[in-house]
Amino acid sequence: QVQLVESGGGVVQPGRSLRLSCAASGFTFSSYGMHWVRQAPGKGLEWVAVISYDGSNKYYADSVKGRFTISRDNSKNTLYLQMNSLRAEDTAVFYCAKDLSATHFNYMEVWGKGTTVIVSS
Amino acid sequence: EIVLTQSPATLSLSPGQRATLSCRASQDVSNFLAWYQQKPGQAPRLLIYDASNRATGIPARFSGSGSGTDFTLTISSLEPEDFAVYYCQQRSNWPPLFTFGPGTKVDIK
Repeated sequence: QVQLVESGGGVVQPGRSLRLSCAASGFTFSSYGMHWVRQAPGKGLEWVAVISYDGSNKYYADSVKGRFTISRDNSKNTLYLQMNSLRAEDTAVFYCAKDLSATHFNYMEVWGKGTTVIVSS
Repeated sequence: EIVLTQSPATLSLSPGQRATLSCRASQDVSNFLAWYQQKPGQAPRLLIYDASNRATGIPARFSGSGSGTDFTLTISSLEPEDFAVYYCQQRSNWPPLFTFGPGTKVDIK
């Protein structure tokens, strides 16, 4: 079955960097767009970034543009989120999600369980 | 930027009752709207996409309707496992940016 497993979360000081990973299995990873979505403690969902199936197109929420970079390695079935210049307000559970469509970015069909990032001094 | 508004913020109902959740977009999003369910400590789950299509494995008691700016998620008869938070989500045309509503919590009365 389709499975997404995030890793790489932890406690990091403000201004530092962290890289999240998402290992995918159970589907043709190289055929689907992939998203990162986050959820601050006790808050709602916030979309972070999306990447096309081949990595050629990437889009970001304004709140992370210029600080976060989404990427993928289709040979390893793995999605990444490089987070630089982290701020306290980046504290959240970060989920990776598979897009529903193989041809467009639309909806988040399958989600991982999430990895927690805490930005604190 | 398209803003999604959900109402009510909280819906208190009993099992077996009908739940009607609303999502309103600040601009026309055509039918590019989805609904997700999230239970405490769990990842969200896609319920409805393109406003009215049930995702794989979603029970028939969940239905979606609407287009343009006004959308509705209906749960015809609440089961105990349906008490959760529900989010709507849209995708803007270009660039493809995604927005979630603030959520509606359906809790047990």
